[in-house]
This record gives sequence, structure tokens and C-alpha cells, in this order.
Amino acid sequence: EAEVAQSPRYKITEKSQAVAFWCDPISGHATLYWYRQILGQGPELLVQFQDESVVDDSQLPKDRFSAERLKGVDSTLKIQPAELGDSAMYLCASSFPGQGAEQYFGPGTRLTVT
Amino acid sequence: AQSVTQPDIHITVSEGASLELRCNYSYGATPYLFWYVQSPGQGLQLLLKYFSGDTLVQGIKGFEAEFKRSQSSFNLRKPSVHWSDAAEYFCAVASNTNAGKSTFGDGTTLTVKP
Repeated sequence: EAEVAQSPRYKITEKSQAVAFWCDPISGHATLYWYRQILGQGPELLVQFQDESVVDDSQLPKDRFSAERLKGVDSTLKIQPAELGDSAMYLCASSFPGQGAEQYFGPGTRLTVT
Repeated sequence: AQSVTQPDIHITVSEGASLELRCNYSYGATPYLFWYVQSPGQGLQLLLKYFSGDTLVQGIKGFEAEFKRSQSSFNLRKPSVHWSDAAEYFCAVASNTNAGKSTFGDGTTLTVKP
């Protein structure tokens, strides 16, 4: 069964350093999402792509976070510089386009900022 | 703005007992509603969704949920819980203009006693 791949699974970094996460969606899924899940809370949408275009990034802290999906397939989320409050699980999900399409989630990247 | 409240942070039930997890939402129009399950170290998996039509929705793993517009609720139920159901459960709401932009509740952790 096809799955959403994410790497790394775990990342420890010092504050003020740069960090990047990678996501490979299920083949054929044009829509890709990045979520941040703080411990004890539900996921919060950071950015939504349709192919290579950003559909929604209203919750993305653009002073330090950036996301790209250059060829409309895999995607990278970057944080520079990382802050202690960025410690969280970063989840990627993908879906076919269209209303009601099921989102399939990857296993996530657990980020710890020290 | 849309929001979701899951009043129960933690629920413990005995194996074989029935289960109901509560979810209340806030949204101005007819919402799209979802229930997800997250096992430790894994991404989220969709259990069921409601977009329109029959207000009683059947999902995977024997779960069902009922949409009650008058109560702004979408409670998840299962008649007989199995030990493998122990996990964290998230309710989510999305607008009918962008079903992908979901707002999640903070989750309910389910413990199953033998």
C-alpha cells in the first residue's frame, strides 16, 4: 500500500540553527499539506499546496519558516533559525485534489530544539 | 472562524465496553467533519467523515459518528472496544470551500483496560 514518506523521523537541533524536513507524497496526489503538532494538541495546518502552488499558508510563520514544492511532487519545509518553541511533530499529508478527498498522513518528523 | 472542542482529555474503558468520544464544533455554515486516530509514533488515519446526507456515518474499524446540527456535535461511538483501539482520537472541522483546511481539536486519549 502506498504511503507518505517523511524524513528524518527524528531531529535534534540547537536554537538558531537551520533545519529542514522532507516529504514524498503518495504518487498522483496533487495536494500536499504540512502540519505542526505540539505535544498535547491537535495538528495545525501550516501550508497547503496544489501541485507546486501554495493554496494556503496563512498560519505559516513566514519570518522563519519556508516551504517549497518545486516540481509539484516532493516538498521541503525549512525553519531558519529554529527556536525552542518550534519543538513539535511536523506532519505531512497528501490527497487527490477536490473537495472531500481523504488526506493520508506520513509518520511525521519529531523536532527537538535545545 | 471554525473551532473544535473535545471535552474529554483522557477516557478509560474496559475491553468489550461501549465507547463514546465527544466533539463539539463551531462553524457558521454546514461543516465538513472528520474523526482521525493516531497511534504512538504514527501519523493520523481517517476513521470517518461527514459532508452531507445521512447524519449517522459509518467508518472503519467498527466506528460510527452522528452529526447533530442542533447540538453542534459529532460524537464518535463504538459498541465494543478492543485493546487495539487504545490511541489518541482527533475530531476535525473544515469549511465547505476548502475541505483540506481542517481545524483539529486537542484530542482524546483512550486507554483500554483488560
